[in-house]
Amino acid sequence: GAGVSQSPRYKVAKRGQDVALRCDPISGHVSLFWYQQALGQGPEFLTYFQNEAQLDKSGLPSDRFFAERPEGSVSTLKIQRTQQEDSAVYLCASSPRGLAVDYGYTFGSGTRLTVV
Amino acid sequence: LAKTTQPISMDSYEGQEVNITCSHNNIATNDYITWYQQFPSQGPRFIIQGYKTKVTNEVASLFIPADRKSSTLSLPRVSLSDTAVYYCLVGDGNAGNMLTFGGGTRLMVKP
Repeated sequence: GAGVSQSPRYKVAKRGQDVALRCDPISGHVSLFWYQQALGQGPEFLTYFQNEAQLDKSGLPSDRFFAERPEGSVSTLKIQRTQQEDSAVYLCASSPRGLAVDYGYTFGSGTRLTVV
Repeated sequence: LAKTTQPISMDSYEGQEVNITCSHNNIATNDYITWYQQFPSQGPRFIIQGYKTKVTNEVASLFIPADRKSSTLSLPRVSLSDTAVYYCLVGDGNAGNMLTFGGGTRLMVKP
């Protein structure tokens, strides 16, 4: 596609509910990142994929967070047993090559998750 | 991982030039400096990237002094639509050096 697409755009979950957030990167992009952005803060790194391999998941805040990219294209971020502190915008970004200096990363518009 | 420091907020008026300075005292030899712009309800958007001296594109200029411990993003003749948060990042993009965002600078352009 022309850009990074994320769905749903908005998600309201009851505390304790599981959610799945989808990211469709730009076709052919090797690298894919997930970020969490709390209100008024900068994005914080969650995890990174190079093709289907999850090379870094050090930013995932707890074992309730899980990400996958089984075929090296679409990625899903899953949050189990959601808590109120999980409320944030979840951003996905992709890049056409592996980690290397280039002309930046393309971000999607994010999924705003509200846990009530 | 180099840490960056930038002003929390800035105000300007339409038509003025805006300069946002970022400090990165611990920048490594292989690190590049990248600036992103973020509008409400959107993801960050790449603006400009540089390693040393000056880089210019159709959107902005980036000035980097010889010691590379700081950088200045220059936006010429800003308009209301330039109101956004601007992030300065440093990193070489290799060996697990992920994009790390700080708090950014909130630029408000007034009529």
